[in-house]
Amino acid sequence: QQQVKQSPQSLIVQKGGISIINCAYENTAFDYFPWYQQFPGKGPALLIAIRPDVSEKKEGRFTISFNKSAKQFSLHIMDSQPGDSATYFCAAFSGSARQLTFGSGTQLTVLP
Amino acid sequence: DAGITQSPRHKVTETGTPVTLRCHQTENHRYMYWYRQDPGHGLRLIHYSYGVKDTDKGEVSDGYSVSRSKTEDFLLTLESATSSQTSVYFCAIRDRDTSNYGYTFGSGTRLTVV
Repeated sequence: QQQVKQSPQSLIVQKGGISIINCAYENTAFDYFPWYQQFPGKGPALLIAIRPDVSEKKEGRFTISFNKSAKQFSLHIMDSQPGDSATYFCAAFSGSARQLTFGSGTQLTVLP
Repeated sequence: DAGITQSPRHKVTETGTPVTLRCHQTENHRYMYWYRQDPGHGLRLIHYSYGVKDTDKGEVSDGYSVSRSKTEDFLLTLESATSSQTSVYFCAIRDRDTSNYGYTFGSGTRLTVV
């Protein structure tokens, strides 16, 4: 059973465009929602994170939008650059279970 | 990655042989995790540890065991490797006291079972 559903599986965007990746969850016990960025041959690295009491968080070109009632959250990458080409994972953390559950990943390609 | 080292980085082994992967941290973090990464599945939790000799099973623990005799080392053992265990394995650490629950991942071990 997949507790965090991520879409799309792959995404191709032109340089300067907006990349949008969506995630949905079922477990209301989740209380922390990070996004990870992974380059080939490397481990995932924390990119940005949000708590459910906040509807939006922005760090540079990266923004998380969070909809608690719909149990959905998304990552927006503004002014996408070729260097942003990577695999992105959404995740959800349950403090009670002390575990991080990942989505299936989105492979982003930004064309020059 | 700073503070966390996985070894070996690559390994090819035969079906039925035991394999041990090592995760070593220098951050003195309490929590350590083993994940496997497979296309279409993201990262799935195998086992985790809250401290020395304190471990528990994750989502995909069948065929795997772990040990943590020291804070800095978390070992993952495949008792009898199967082809379905061909994967990239990642170790992660988390600081108990951090307020952001952020995990730090190692660079991974690519395991091929032939």
